[in-house]
Amino acid sequence: AQTVTQSQPEMSVQEAETVTLSCTYDTSENNYYLFWYKQPPSRQMILVIRQEAYKQQNATENRFSVNFQKAAKSFSLKISDSQLGDTAMYFCAFMIPIYNQGGKLIFGQGTELSVKP
Amino acid sequence: DTAVSQTPKYLVTQMGNDKSIKCEQNLGHDTMYWYKQDSKKFLKIMFSYNNKELIINETVPNRFSPKSPDKAHLNLHINSLELGDSAVYFCASSGQDRGVEKLFFGSGTQLSVL
Repeated sequence: AQTVTQSQPEMSVQEAETVTLSCTYDTSENNYYLFWYKQPPSRQMILVIRQEAYKQQNATENRFSVNFQKAAKSFSLKISDSQLGDTAMYFCAFMIPIYNQGGKLIFGQGTELSVKP
Repeated sequence: DTAVSQTPKYLVTQMGNDKSIKCEQNLGHDTMYWYKQDSKKFLKIMFSYNNKELIINETVPNRFSPKSPDKAHLNLHINSLELGDSAVYFCASSGQDRGVEKLFFGSGTQLSVL
């Protein structure tokens, strides 16, 4: 069975500081995608960053970057220069693609991040 | 302009009623989904459809019936609503973008069963 574990239910960080959110997953598959989604109080699910398992290079999107350790099945999210607007629930997720038919996204429990002024 | 739109945004109803949530995407994707987010914010897939065909059907009570009249629409009908059905329901769609699957969510429907 595929599972995603986020061991930090809540975290806080000072504005402009750096914070790292942890995520581990379990799968026997070799081809999969990993994601971090942000859910602010507005409830909208916003894709933050995506990583393909076959790529060794860590994905980056502006202030967001990941540390993807495939052997350890670890996929942490680093947020640099934290901003107040980064306050949200962050979900790590894992997808096994189904050829030409999308895939099944499995989510972790979420980490509630508070950025303090 | 909204890529994945679902209606209504809020739904308050009594136990035992039947209700529907509608979802439409204008991204040209072949695959659509329903996800449920419970009171602890845990997200779990319920169904996926590809080109009107059911692909994923997780362990969901028979009271939940998805319907896809065409590949741009995936509606969720719920019969005999129960208190435990209270949750946020998200519709999503996905498609390939340069060989990588991209998934987009609607803004969610908060269902409250009284």
